[in-house]
Amino acid sequence: DAGVIQSPRHEVTEMGQEVTLRCKPISGHNSLFWYRQTMMRGLELLIYFNNNVPIDDSGMPEDRFSAKMPNASFSTLKIQPSEPRDSAVYFCASTYMEDTEAFFGQGTRLTVV
Amino acid sequence: KNEVEQSPQNLTAQEGEFITINCSYSVGISALHWLQQHPGGGIVSLFMLSSGKKKHGRLIATINIQEKHSSLHITASHPRDSAVYICAVRIRGGSNYKLTFGKGTLLTVNP
Repeated sequence: DAGVIQSPRHEVTEMGQEVTLRCKPISGHNSLFWYRQTMMRGLELLIYFNNNVPIDDSGMPEDRFSAKMPNASFSTLKIQPSEPRDSAVYFCASTYMEDTEAFFGQGTRLTVV
Repeated sequence: KNEVEQSPQNLTAQEGEFITINCSYSVGISALHWLQQHPGGGIVSLFMLSSGKKKHGRLIATINIQEKHSSLHITASHPRDSAVYICAVRIRGGSNYKLTFGKGTLLTVNP
């Protein structure tokens, strides 16, 4: 398996624009996580899916953020409208079960100018 | 106070040195993870452990549940080991899926 695949690797966008980040988890993994990493706050859990169903979205900063998992092999994290304070590295991770070893993607470095 | 504390925050070593990174936590846990992140790179899971010791190549992770402490050791360090090492715990009695992360230790190994 190629591991967790995220796209794009880098995204630069203007404030107010819509941004969509994509993730393909490892085949057979039923848990998917979106994290945000910043210098100030480190890694934070944004949302957790189990079997494609959102279980915990309490970490989503505000209504501008939304995430979907339409099937077991694809998830998106959308920010609309984007703001400069959304600049961060966004990681997707998947696990076989919710409490097993996590496999992370390479991350998407988002810069909102 | 953070639930997961790592020390040191920064560590510089010479190639070949034995390195120890520490992680202390203040809550009961069901598992502890060590992660590695190279500059500008993705995050790689090194170990997940709940007791004792695990070894993979030059890396050794230990945990003492009673003392709420874990260490990550690197033997015969190499410049390619330069990375941020992150400790994360799964809190016992909490949501099984949630990881609480330390701030990371930046390791630089000079040739």
